Amino acid sequence: SAVISQKPSRDICQRGTSLTIQCQVDSQVTMMFWYRQQPGQSLTLIATANQGSEATYESGFVIDKFPISRPNLTFSTLTVSNMSPEDSSIYLCSAFTVANTGELFFGEGSRLTVL
Amino acid sequence: GEDVEQSLFLSVREGDSSVINCTYTDSSSTYLYWYKQEPGAGLQLLTYIFSNMDMKQDQRLTVLLNKKDKHLSLRIADTQTGDSAIYFCAALYGSGNTGKLIFGQGTTLQVKP
Repeated sequence: SAVISQKPSRDICQRGTSLTIQCQVDSQVTMMFWYRQQPGQSLTLIATANQGSEATYESGFVIDKFPISRPNLTFSTLTVSNMSPEDSSIYLCSAFTVANTGELFFGEGSRLTVL
Repeated sequence: GEDVEQSLFLSVREGDSSVINCTYTDSSSTYLYWYKQEPGAGLQLLTYIFSNMDMKQDQRLTVLLNKKDKHLSLRIADTQTGDSAIYFCAALYGSGNTGKLIFGQGTTLQVKP
């Protein structure tokens, strides 16, 4: 199984600020995915991050609000920009294993609270 | 379009079997997954099944897939209090490792001692 680490695990942020979440995988993976889980809700895909190209965003999510970097095959960052209380969520990073057997693993998530 | 539906709540007694059900709308899904989320924690992959399989068993967990009815179930045998959590069903659309995962709303499993 893949081990996916996220930092920070939680943070309390002020309205109008930005925060960058880091995601580190213990093995090289092609695609990494960023999800959002709002309080009491299910998970929604924000974007797919491919190394060497721009991220692909889902409907309702834009690059200006959620810029993503993918500098190499084991690392990605998601920035939540100009935060408002509505951005208070858990943000999760995920990736398939290199063997591409269908296993999709998630990090522990980054719980953001925006005041 | 792609949609995944689950019942929201299930309560069972310790030692009983739990069956959590899920339906999905788009038959082109390639893999179907069950994840467990405990309070304040991330998602733990419990098991998954390829869409050309009918059943998969892994210790106390049995996954049944009825592709004709687009119905997926997770059976937990001998349910324990430690199984209390939210269980998410998810369907993967797309090929290889580039697909998009659509999640159900999650089923809260309550296990009473």
